[in-house]
Amino acid sequence: QKEVEQDPGPLSVPEGAIVSLNCTYSNSAFQYFMWYRQYSRKGPELLMYTYSSGNKEDGRFTAQVDKSSKYISLFIRDSQPSDSATYLCAMSDRDDKIIFGKGTRLHILP
Amino acid sequence: EPEVTQTPSHQVTQMGQEVILRCVPISNHLYFYWYRQILGQKVEFLVSFYNNEISEKSEIFDDQFSVERPDGSNFTLKIRSTKLEDSAMYFCASSWEAGTDTQYFGPGTRLTVL
Repeated sequence: QKEVEQDPGPLSVPEGAIVSLNCTYSNSAFQYFMWYRQYSRKGPELLMYTYSSGNKEDGRFTAQVDKSSKYISLFIRDSQPSDSATYLCAMSDRDDKIIFGKGTRLHILP
Repeated sequence: EPEVTQTPSHQVTQMGQEVILRCVPISNHLYFYWYRQILGQKVEFLVSFYNNEISEKSEIFDDQFSVERPDGSNFTLKIRSTKLEDSAMYFCASSWEAGTDTQYFGPGTRLTVL
């Protein structure tokens, strides 16, 4: 079983819809959970960070972590065409080394 | 806003040649990292570097790879004898503390090995 599994998509949704992106993981030692956004030909940009189970909200973005199920989610409300990008889930069991998912390509249709 | 920069944006080389990828981390950062992303694959950790030493390296980071901070501003990744499978995007990242939430990524260097 791979350490981090993420559906690569692509996922196409109409503008204004709620987007749900998900990852599962196998390593119970992971403590830090992140979501990155990556535009074409750019480096990953940190969107959300959490280290506990539960929800964390930042504007239109909500990150959800369920450690018991080894499942994390990112919700995007009122999606905009500018949200079109690849979204990478990532996690770590220590301070520096990040393990990434494969990324989900998201298209928001105007 | 300060940012990590990388040069060149695209490097083409022949198999067996040495390449050096350059990064200028954010100026007050102390921790430095290299990641790579093979086309269509996930971003993979290569190495972390702090206080002029490698902190951790992955299985990918074998004897063909080395990192250096030759001066106060640059952080380099050297591949001694490139292989076809080294073709990938290479991302540099830096942070001011040892924390996965503080790593800022550069735009990447696309390495193509022919």
